[in-house]
Amino acid sequence: EAQVTQNPRYLITVTGKKLTVTCSQNMNHEYMSWYRQDPGLGLRQIYYSMNVEVTDKGDVPEGYKVSRKEKRNFPLILESPSPNQTSLYFCASSLSRGSYEQYFGPGTRLTVT
Amino acid sequence: AQSVAQPEDQVNVAEGNPLTVKCTYSVSGNPYLFWYVQYPNRGLQFLLKYITGDNLVKGSYGFEAEFNKSQTSFHLKKPSALVSDSALYFCAVRDITGKLIFGTGTRLQVFP
Repeated sequence: EAQVTQNPRYLITVTGKKLTVTCSQNMNHEYMSWYRQDPGLGLRQIYYSMNVEVTDKGDVPEGYKVSRKEKRNFPLILESPSPNQTSLYFCASSLSRGSYEQYFGPGTRLTVT
Repeated sequence: AQSVAQPEDQVNVAEGNPLTVKCTYSVSGNPYLFWYVQYPNRGLQFLLKYITGDNLVKGSYGFEAEFNKSQTSFHLKKPSALVSDSALYFCAVRDITGKLIFGTGTRLQVFP
């Protein structure tokens, strides 16, 4: 089944404790991105990657890192999480930057206390 | 800068009645417009898109959307609402980097 998977689905952590949210897709997509969803703000892009070893900042990159060492994986790293990073995070992928449909993962709900 | 606006936080409709979820856009050049739906505890699912061509676009689950260039709108519609259509709906426009720029979302509540 074609899908985007994220782990973990739920995470409660404390300020400053490094964490990684994994994202993997099995559709051989070139383009992957991370969004965060906050009430009243919709979804905002954090980082995106057009291909392996090619990443770039989205609208809200501060406090986040990403890497794209393999085509299928695009982990999101929070080196020192803070409470304002409490949010719902979605990974998405598409065949290429120009593709019209993006496929979204199920989401990761992160709480930083 | 490109943007979309969803003026209604919530839309309530009775089952069997037609529904409309509003979206207006602001873009330079030709817009690539999308509707996504989010069910509770799920990721976003693609409903439909407008790229070019016919102003009435048909999508999944019986939804359609009407592109209106003069009013810069892309409203989502369905002739007969179902209780199972209750969800959060997002309008989005795609920019040149492939990024989707989302509206703030409209919660659709369909009452039996």
